[in-house]
Amino acid sequence: EAGVAQSPRYKIIEKRQSVAFWCNPISGHATLYWYQQILGQGPKLLIQFQNNGVVDDSQLPKDRFSAERLKGVDSTLKIQPAKLEDSAVYLCASSLYGAVSTEAFFGQGTRLTVV
Amino acid sequence: DQQVKQNSPSLSVQEGRISILNCDYTNSMFDYFLWYKKYPAEGPTFLISISSIKDKNEDGRFTVFLNKSAKHLSLHIVPSQPGDSAVYFCAASHTGNQFYFGTGTSLTVIP
Repeated sequence: EAGVAQSPRYKIIEKRQSVAFWCNPISGHATLYWYQQILGQGPKLLIQFQNNGVVDDSQLPKDRFSAERLKGVDSTLKIQPAKLEDSAVYLCASSLYGAVSTEAFFGQGTRLTVV
Repeated sequence: DQQVKQNSPSLSVQEGRISILNCDYTNSMFDYFLWYKKYPAEGPTFLISISSIKDKNEDGRFTVFLNKSAKHLSLHIVPSQPGDSAVYFCAASHTGNQFYFGTGTSLTVIP
C-alpha cells in the first residue's frame, strides 16, 4: 500500500514570497489533515478535510494560508505571503474514517525555510 | 495553550531495560489517545492507542497506561531495543476531532 506522498521535500523562499505544497493521501482515505510542526514543538493541526469539505480550519491563519482538496483526493496548501515564523515542517496525513478516532498516516513532510 | 505536555525532552535507556515515556493532558474531555514514533526526516508513524474506557492497552513490547483521574498516560517499552531510538509524540482528542500533540520525547536506547 502506497503511503502519503508529499512534495517538495524541501523549500527555501524569501519572506513575502509565495509557496505551495502538495499532498496525495492514501487511496480511499476520506480524511486529510495538514499539520505544521515548528522546531521543538509537536505537530499543530492547520486544517482537516472530510472528502472535499473542510471539517476544522480553526487554527489556519486565513489571511495568508489557504488549502483546497479538489475532488476529495489530492490537496494543496499555500502560503502567500510567507513570514519568517512560517519556517516549519508541513505534514500531511490521511485516515480512513472521519468522525471516528483512528490512526492517521503521515507523509514525510515538507521542510520550509523562510529567509 | 499546550493541552498535551511531554515534560521530558529526552530519555536514555540501556538496551534490554524498560523505557517509560510520560504524557500529561489538561482537557478532561479528551477520550482518545495515541502514541506516534518519529525517525529523523520521516513523518510520524502510529504506534499504539487507547480510548478512555480502558486503562491499559498492550501491543507486543509496547504498553500504554491511562490514568484518567491524574490526566496522565505513559508508554512502556519492554525490552528496549536500539531500533526504538526515535522521538515519541503523544496525542489526544475528543470524539476523534482535532488531535493535540505533545512536544515529543527523544528516546535513545544505548546498546
